[in-house]
Amino acid sequence: SYVLTQPPSVSVAPGQTARITCGGNNIGIKSVHWYQQKPGQAPVLVVYDDTDRPSGIPERFSGSNSGNTATLTISRVEAGDEADYYCQLWDSSSDQGVFGGGTKLTVL
Amino acid sequence: QVQLVESGGGVVQPGRSLRLSCAASGFTFSNFGMHWVRQAPGKGLEWVAIISYDGGNIYYGDFVKGRFTISRDNSKNTLYLQVNSLRAEDTAVYYCAKDHAHSSPSLDSWGQGTLVTVSS
Repeated sequence: SYVLTQPPSVSVAPGQTARITCGGNNIGIKSVHWYQQKPGQAPVLVVYDDTDRPSGIPERFSGSNSGNTATLTISRVEAGDEADYYCQLWDSSSDQGVFGGGTKLTVL
Repeated sequence: QVQLVESGGGVVQPGRSLRLSCAASGFTFSNFGMHWVRQAPGKGLEWVAIISYDGGNIYYGDFVKGRFTISRDNSKNTLYLQVNSLRAEDTAVYYCAKDHAHSSPSLDSWGQGTLVTVSS
C-alpha cells in the first residue's frame, strides 16, 4: 500500500517559519490533509485538500503539494504550535486511508 | 457543535472481543461517512476503517484482515467497531471521526478516544 514519509522532528525558533514535509510517490496528484495533535488530545484537521483551511484555523497554517512532496508551512511560529503533525491521504488504488508517521514540531 | 463520544474500551484478554461505540451529535449523522483511527501508546496514527453515510460502502486498513467490523445505526446516531481475536498489538486509543465530505476522505471532527488494552 501507499507509504507517506515524514521527518521525525523539526525545530524552529518563535516567530520563524516551520516547514514539515510529507513524501510519497507522485503525491502531487493526490489530495493531502494535515492534522495537529497536542499531547493528550485528539488530532485536529488544520489543512485539507492540499491548501484549504477549516474554519477557525489561523492563516499562519498553509499547505502545498507538488511532485513527490507535500508541505505544511507554519508562519510566525508560536509556542502553542508545538505538537505532532501528521499528513494523510486516501489511496484510491487500495481504497484505504494512509497516515504519515508524524513529525514532532519543537519550538525552541 | 459536532460532538463524538467513544465508549466500550477497557482491558481485555488476548483472543477476546470488544464492541466500541461512538455516539454522535451536533450534525446530521446520516449524511456523513465516518472513520475509526487508532493510536498505540507513544506511536503515530493508524487508519482503521471508513463507512459511508448509508453503510453501503465500507473499507478497511490492510492490517484488519477480517478481524474488525465497522457498522452504524443512523436511527441511533451511533457508529460501531467490533474488534475480534484481539492481540497485544491492538492496544491503542481508538478514535472515531467524521468525514469532511470533500474531494477525498479527510477527518474534520474527532472524539476523545477510548483506550483498549489487550493483556492477560
